[in-house]
Order: sequence, then structure tokens, then C-alpha cells
Amino acid sequence: DAKTTQPPSMDCAEGRAANLPCNHSTISGNEYVYWYRQIHSQGPQYIIHGLKNNETNEMASLIITEDRKSSTLILPHATLRDTAVYYCIVGRDDKIIFGKGTRLHILP
Amino acid sequence: DTAVSQTPKYLVTQMGNDKSIKCEQNLGHDTMYWYKQDSKKFLKIMFSYNNKELIINETVPNRFSPKSPDKAHLNLHINSLELGDSAVYFCASSQVGTRFRGYTFGSGTRLTVV
Repeated sequence: DAKTTQPPSMDCAEGRAANLPCNHSTISGNEYVYWYRQIHSQGPQYIIHGLKNNETNEMASLIITEDRKSSTLILPHATLRDTAVYYCIVGRDDKIIFGKGTRLHILP
Repeated sequence: DTAVSQTPKYLVTQMGNDKSIKCEQNLGHDTMYWYKQDSKKFLKIMFSYNNKELIINETVPNRFSPKSPDKAHLNLHINSLELGDSAVYFCASSQVGTRFRGYTFGSGTRLTVV
């Protein structure tokens, strides 16, 4: 079962930062936070993951609170192509359980 | 080059038939997975294989049988297809451990059982 809570949908204006929240209050000490997205009709795409520290890559930044009970995915300059369902997942490398995700709409 | 490739992309078949979906990855990953996405868009893990060994076998009818001839391939055979098997099936691969860089998914196989 998914261990995360995400808003079902969000809007963001094109060019602005998209901040997607995720609650995972029951996360265990050895579990990671992963973010994936699924653009319509495509396979899910890995974005980023982290354990305790904030992480940044070419796609996004991941901010994890100190108590690890929540996190935020930041897309710094959203484009129309970022419209997708974004999944926040807590678990291990070898078993990713998807929840319902957040449907992000980027508005022109 | 496609990193994770699945064939066929579309599959329409009648109830009761047996069909296979093939998956190949050229990333050198040691773990491969099958996921099912139903009409409500929920993605559920079905199986995972690590170095040809079955690691995860979720509550899936035994009509579904994965086969991994080598590290780069994980095929899914489905016997006696039912209407409820209609879904999109995604194959994925990853390198578990310190070299983990996320799962790479294929583009999916849309199975329609009529």
C-alpha cells in the first residue's frame, strides 16, 4: 500500500516554479523518498530520490523536512511539457509502490 | 537506442487465448519488473527479477508467468486471458544498490481482451 499523501491535482503557470507537496509521516529510517512522473500514455519517468538531505539534479530539486515526514518536489521553471501525474513514493530501491499521485497542469 | 523496449505495443486478443509480452533492457541493470496499469490508472507491481531470480511475486493469478532467460530479458506469459486482464503492462529495470539511479520504464503494452 502507498504510504504517501498527495493533493489530487495542482495548477501552475508556465515559467513559474511548481512545488509539489507530499506527506509521508510513517516513513521508516531506511526508506527513501522517490519522485516519478507519468506523462499521458507514456511509461513513468524517474525524477529524483533522497534519504535525508535535499537533492538537486537537472530535472528538479527535492526538499525533505528534517523529521522526514514530508517533502516537496520543485520544478524550477515549469513548461507545458511538465504536465503529468507526479508520484511521491516511499520505500526501497527494489520495490516501488505507486499511489494516486498529483495531476499537475501547467497553464500557458 | 531504446533503453527498455517492450513488444508488442498493442495486443488485441480473445478471451481464453494465451499471449506473451517481451521486454528487453540494454542498460546493464540487474533487476527487472512488470507493472500493470488498469483503467483507473493505478500502477501495481506484479513481479521483479534480480539476476534472473524471482524476488517479488505480488498477488497475481498464476495464469501470469514471468520468465527471465537472462539479465537483459523479462517476458510475461499470460494463459487463459480474461476480460479483466485488459490493461497497460509496463516493464522496467533498475540497478539496485549504490548505483541506483531510478527505474527506467518501457513505453508499455496495451492489452485488450475481447
